[in-house]
Amino acid sequence: EIVLTQSPATLSLSPGERATLSCRASQSVGSYLIWYQQKPGQAPRLLIYDASNRAAGIPARFSGSGSETDFTLTISSLEPEDFAVYYCQQRSNWPITFGQGTRLEIK
Amino acid sequence: EVQLLESGGDLVQPGGSLRLSCAASGFMISTYGMTWVRQAPGKGLEWVSFISASGTITYYADSVKGRFTISRDHSKNTLYLQMNSLRDEDTAVYYCAKRDVPQGYGMDDWGQGTTVTVSS
Repeated sequence: EIVLTQSPATLSLSPGERATLSCRASQSVGSYLIWYQQKPGQAPRLLIYDASNRAAGIPARFSGSGSETDFTLTISSLEPEDFAVYYCQQRSNWPITFGQGTRLEIK
Repeated sequence: EVQLLESGGDLVQPGGSLRLSCAASGFMISTYGMTWVRQAPGKGLEWVSFISASGTITYYADSVKGRFTISRDHSKNTLYLQMNSLRDEDTAVYYCAKRDVPQGYGMDDWGQGTTVTVSS
């Protein structure tokens, strides 16, 4: 099973700042890395697929990069609605696995 | 508009069984791979099971293999998760989600979740 490790566990930033979230895989997943956003009481929302492609309707301030084992989700300028938990997920191998999440909180 | 509506969650004793349903509208589940994902209280996301569009391929997390069965009824456009031999650690919100091939097999549509509580 591929283990995904996200860092930091919690990120405290202010609106307007740049957020950089990391996801590291225990073995190469190529570019088969996906990012989700989850707000309290809601289902996850697809943000990024194949490491760097924005899903439909996702604002341009969200971007993804990386390959093999190291991936980054960047939010260029935080909006109030961006404060949430972010998960990475790999679809390179079964079983599908998720990272443990990064909580992005308002400073 | 795509909608997924889960139901069937309940309070059940350890060792008991439940069947979760996920009624789909706005698309045909026979044309998409479908998954179940769960989230224990205060915890992260855990993938549970997958069924292919054709229905011929299924996968399970090791934690549920041999106890849970995923299936679908095309005539009802509904996905199911039969859960047997339930354990305390199966307590979670269970989501069904559609995998979207054009978007890198990302899960682009999710239900609102149904809550399963396993406790004596």
